[in-house]
Amino acid sequence: EVQLVESGGGLVQPGGSLRLSCAASGFTFSSYWMHWVRQAPGKGLVWVSRINSDGSSTSYADSVKGRFTISRDNAKNTLYLQMNSLRAEDTAVYYCARALSIIAVAGHEEDYFDYWGQGTLVTVSS
Amino acid sequence: SYELTQPPSVSVSPGQTARITCSGDALPKQYAYWYQQKPGQAPVLVIYKDSERPSGIPERFSGSSSGTTVTLTISGVQAEDEADYYCQSADSSGTVVFGGGTKLTVL
Repeated sequence: EVQLVESGGGLVQPGGSLRLSCAASGFTFSSYWMHWVRQAPGKGLVWVSRINSDGSSTSYADSVKGRFTISRDNAKNTLYLQMNSLRAEDTAVYYCARALSIIAVAGHEEDYFDYWGQGTLVTVSS
Repeated sequence: SYELTQPPSVSVSPGQTARITCSGDALPKQYAYWYQQKPGQAPVLVIYKDSERPSGIPERFSGSSSGTTVTLTISGVQAEDEADYYCQSADSSGTVVFGGGTKLTVL
């Protein structure tokens, strides 16, 4: 059974840091691209970041670029999100998600998510 | 930045058909995906590649595409289908984009 379990959320002051983890099991973690998606209270889903299967390629939403770092340890089957310089607007539930990739009509790869974790809440407040 | 537009809410009576739309200029060139999210739960994939249904998803869920609009159709809506629904696609660089979400209310 595929399982994704996030941890590391909590209350942090503006300007502070937090590292989220996502422990994966039930599948060959090293074969899949992984993403982080967040959801502010009462709001919609927002893509945050993604990492390829071996960790050599990453990308970020403009809103977190330069502040957040995605990484993975395939030996530990774990995905990470290091969040620095946190702001109130980063307050959200953070989900990790396993990605499947297909070739779009336009010819490039696009990802979608077949499994999600239960999420971990990050609250940025003084 | 690229945007996907969904209606904020859709209401239907049990047994009726619900249609939730998602519009985006790039949808003719990109696939769309749909997720169901119930309160306090993680999203669940219900449609991929515009119209494919993952295993375990009831047949009453279907998807279609026409030009710049994709549609999630739920036939014979049940009370348990009340949830938020999000479309997802990608921009021209392959970056993931979500629609704003649609709250489906079963009257």
